[in-house]
Amino acid sequence: DQQVKQNSPSLSVQEGRISILNCDYTNSMFDYFLWYKKYPAEGPTFLISISSIKDKNEDGRFTVFLNKSAKHLSLHIVPSQPGDSAVYFCAASLPQFSSNTGKLIFGQGTTLQVKP
Amino acid sequence: DGGITQSPKYLFRKEGQNVTLSCEQNLNHDAMYWYRQDPGQGLRLIYYSQIVNDFQKGDIAEGYSVSREKKESFPLTVTSAQKNPTAFYLCASSTYGELFFGSGTQLSVL
Repeated sequence: DQQVKQNSPSLSVQEGRISILNCDYTNSMFDYFLWYKKYPAEGPTFLISISSIKDKNEDGRFTVFLNKSAKHLSLHIVPSQPGDSAVYFCAASLPQFSSNTGKLIFGQGTTLQVKP
Repeated sequence: DGGITQSPKYLFRKEGQNVTLSCEQNLNHDAMYWYRQDPGQGLRLIYYSQIVNDFQKGDIAEGYSVSREKKESFPLTVTSAQKNPTAFYLCASSTYGELFFGSGTQLSVL
């Protein structure tokens, strides 16, 4: 039972345009969401997060939107750059694990390709 | 320079052999984790430890074992009971909900 789903395995965008990566979840108890970026043969690196009490969090070119009623979050990258080409994982955490632990439930990942 | 070190980068296992993947961190994090990544799938939790000398099974613990004798170290043993061990293994540690990952070990079966 996949509690966190990324239904698009891949996405291709032109440099300078917006990239929108989507993530859906089924468990309404999740209270903390994160996005990780992963290059081949490397470990994922943290990108941006959002608490369930917010609906938007912004960090430079990256913005995460959370729609709790739809159980949906999205990551916007504007403008997209070739160096953004990687696999992006969304992840969610339950309240009992949000503080001082990292027991996360991950989606399958979306491979983003940004073309020059 | 703080971080998480996984070794080796590549590992090959023969039939019936146990192999151990190393994970060391100098971030002073209490919690450590082992995840497995298969192509087209997300990261799945194998084992985690929130404190020295204590650990819990994750979602796919069968065929794996761990130990946590020191805060800095959380080795993972892939036993012969794990019938499909070929995967990319990621070790992580955490503080306040954010995971920090090592660079991974690719395990393959000969």
